[in-house]
Amino acid sequence: AQRVTQPEKLLSVFKGAPVELKCNYSYSGSPELFWYVQYSRQRLQLLLRHISRESIKGFTADLNKGETSFHLKKPFAQEEDSAMYYCALLNAGGTSYGKLTFGQGTILTVHP
Amino acid sequence: ETGVTQSPTHLIKTRGQQVTLRCSSQSGHNTVSWYQQALGQGPQFIFQYYREEENGRGNFPPRFSGLQFPNYSSELNVNALELDDSALYLCASRATGTGGEGYTFGSGTRLTVV
Repeated sequence: AQRVTQPEKLLSVFKGAPVELKCNYSYSGSPELFWYVQYSRQRLQLLLRHISRESIKGFTADLNKGETSFHLKKPFAQEEDSAMYYCALLNAGGTSYGKLTFGQGTILTVHP
Repeated sequence: ETGVTQSPTHLIKTRGQQVTLRCSSQSGHNTVSWYQQALGQGPQFIFQYYREEENGRGNFPPRFSGLQFPNYSSELNVNALELDDSALYLCASRATGTGGEGYTFGSGTRLTVV
């Protein structure tokens, strides 16, 4: 069964500090992973996907198959980064193609 | 281009009752998924519809059922409501051929069962 684990429910940093949100996954096939973000009073939206290997709003995430991890990083946190972050794994085969398995989420608070 | 809209935004029901939640998909999206998000948890996959047929289901009992209509709008029906059904219900639509990057989520319906 596929599973996503985000070990930190809460993460607090000061503005300008580096931030890393941890995500570990369990999946028998080739994983396709995403980070979704939910800002206050807004709907869930895609932040980035590992396949594109791009940097969005200064965030990057590298897939490490050996450690089965997909941690989200930003070198200098900003106050506007405060939000709920979800790591998600795509079911890319068989029935339920397109199903996303989400972690429990990490609330990031960036203090001024 | 319209987004995903869900109705109602909030709902209070009594245990044992039935409820119908509605979702209007984003224009051009023909696949819709429903997720349940309990307080403090990540969204959990309920089921997915494509071309008006269910083509994927999560670990939810049969009293959770759905419909997708020719215009790609959809419904989530829950019978015999239980207190544990209290949650935020999210609808997400995407176009065929897209994966997790193609999802557009609605704002959700907050269901409270008393």
